[in-house]
Amino acid sequence: NAGVTQTPKFQVLKTGQSMTLQCAQDMNHEYMSWYRQDPGMGLRLIHYSVGAGITDQGEVPNGYNVSRSTTEDFPLRLLSAAPSQTSVYFCASSPGLAKNIQYFGAGTRLSVL
Amino acid sequence: DQQVKQNSPSLSVQEGRISILNCDYTNSMFDYFLWYKKYPAEGPTFLISISSIKDKNEDGRFTVFLNKSAKHLSLHIVPSQPGDSAVYFCAASGGTSYGKLTFGQGTILTVHP
Repeated sequence: NAGVTQTPKFQVLKTGQSMTLQCAQDMNHEYMSWYRQDPGMGLRLIHYSVGAGITDQGEVPNGYNVSRSTTEDFPLRLLSAAPSQTSVYFCASSPGLAKNIQYFGAGTRLSVL
Repeated sequence: DQQVKQNSPSLSVQEGRISILNCDYTNSMFDYFLWYKKYPAEGPTFLISISSIKDKNEDGRFTVFLNKSAKHLSLHIVPSQPGDSAVYFCAASGGTSYGKLTFGQGTILTVHP
């Protein structure tokens, strides 16, 4: 029972490089989201999706793109990495909106030099 | 604008005693509240939740209290155990944030043997 799987666990990028953080869930959840965690800031919502083909922006969307072509996968793309995007990124999924108990992956620690 | 605040960055308690973690919110449209627990190098895991129609929810050693008039919730852990040492996040959803979670900054709980 894998739950929410994120890859890679660690990544170092140079300023200006692009990359995709992968997220997959095997629970058939409709709702998926991406958060970033910074010291003293808690978790902040980047983008979310309420189902395949539907995405929307969260609190801090600038510099990130998402797409949702399948129920299982929700990749997060960094278009041109900046040092301000150094953070820990968490993907989460939820069976629905009503109670919104979200289940998180183990995270990707990203450093942008 | 921090809509969910955890004003205590850290809390230290003795094993067997009560741990009380506090959380305040400003958005009166929030109607569902959750507590998550996070160990280092892992994703947050759901602990307990409460709907705004209740003022208390209990699950084993964990109890969450909600005071809507004060816009305050607290998590009580009785008795505290060393394995409870982790970062605790409160989160809220509801109103225009329906389906999205807004997190507090987190409180580091240390339970000493």
